[in-house]
Amino acid sequence: LAKTTQPISMDSYEGQEVNITCSHNNIATNDYITWYQQFPSQGPRFIIQGYKTKVTNEVASLFIPADRKSSTLSLPRVSLSDTAVYYCLVGNTGTASKLTFGTGTRLQVTL
Amino acid sequence: GAGVSQSPRYKVAKRGQDVALRCDPISGHVSLFWYQQALGQGPEFLTYFQNEAQLDKSGLPSDRFFAERPEGSVSTLKIQRTQQEDSAVYLCASSPGPIEGQYFGPGTRLTVL
Repeated sequence: LAKTTQPISMDSYEGQEVNITCSHNNIATNDYITWYQQFPSQGPRFIIQGYKTKVTNEVASLFIPADRKSSTLSLPRVSLSDTAVYYCLVGNTGTASKLTFGTGTRLQVTL
Repeated sequence: GAGVSQSPRYKVAKRGQDVALRCDPISGHVSLFWYQQALGQGPEFLTYFQNEAQLDKSGLPSDRFFAERPEGSVSTLKIQRTQQEDSAVYLCASSPGPIEGQYFGPGTRLTVL
């Protein structure tokens, strides 16, 4: 099961682009990479999922290099409301039930 | 459409009491997960259902914990003879399939006195 490593915390000013990188050196061939966001007193919220290269949706982009040993969640022009904990998960159908959230990255956005 | 709902949102139990926590997943979602989240930590896996089948219960901390999903939709997590260490937020999530993004409910905060 691929282990992930993320920074414990990050700070940003409102309006900046934030990039959170996750390391997953032993990612398996059939593993997907999924990112979640969690606000206090709420359940995690699915942000984006990818397998390789780049995925973009209305809230974020996910960059995955060719070796897939890391991934970067990019949040464009963050606002105060993006202050939350962000989790990177790696897994596949067979390990779906073994996905671990870890402690995530606590992003603090200020004016 | 409606998201995942959980009830109750808050539950206070005296040590030794039994509790039942309910999860209503998104309609049509095959996969259902239960997690336990302690303060300041990420969610920890408890158990996983695919339809009505409980495919993995390896995360349940003891035999006091029991989960079911008899008709492949609503799920109940039951904790018997609650202990103080059971105090946590219990999260339910559903997804269209096992690896697709999970949609979480708001959680049930259980406090055992």
